[in-house]
Amino acid sequence: GAGVSQTPSNKVTEKGKYVELRCDPISGHTALYWYRQSLGQGPEFLIYFQGTGAADDSGLPNDRFFAVRPEGSVSTLKIQRTERGDSAVYLCASSSGTAGTGELFFGEGSRLTVL
Amino acid sequence: GQNIDQPTEMTATEGAIVQINCTYQTSGFNGLFWYQQHAGEAPTFLSYNVLDGLEEKGRFSSFLSRSKGYSYLLLKELQMKDSASYLCAVDNYGQNFVFGPGTRLSVLP
Repeated sequence: GAGVSQTPSNKVTEKGKYVELRCDPISGHTALYWYRQSLGQGPEFLIYFQGTGAADDSGLPNDRFFAVRPEGSVSTLKIQRTERGDSAVYLCASSSGTAGTGELFFGEGSRLTVL
Repeated sequence: GQNIDQPTEMTATEGAIVQINCTYQTSGFNGLFWYQQHAGEAPTFLSYNVLDGLEEKGRFSSFLSRSKGYSYLLLKELQMKDSASYLCAVDNYGQNFVFGPGTRLSVLP
């Protein structure tokens, strides 16, 4: 596609449920990032993929969060046993740069609300 | 550690000039980016500095001093549509992009 695509755009779930958020990056972009943004704050880094492997997952807050990118393109962020504090906009970005360089192109985000 | 600081909010008048400052301390550095984010939308790229000095791009300019860990974004001839959050981000080479908290700019008529 022309840009970074994220689905769903909105997700409302109940505390304790499992959620998957999908990101389809710009074709050919090797680097893919997940961020979480709460209202009035800057994006908070979660995880960065270079190709299929997670080059840096130091931002994942705990073991309820996991992300995959099995074929080096589409990525899925998985959240188990959701908590109300997980409510935020989850942003995905991709870049053509290697080793994490280059401008980031963002998707519109997935707004997660945990009731 | 990683730390990026920006003022939380700024207000300016239409037609004026505003400077948004950013200071950073990161474990690696491979460039500094400025992004604009309108409410409810994704961040969009504005500028990139990797060497010291000023980069000019129309009404927007960005400055970097690596020795001081300092950057600023200069917006000239402000327009109402410039009301947005401005995010400073450091390319933490080989690791990740670290974003600052963002500066919410309000442009008044």
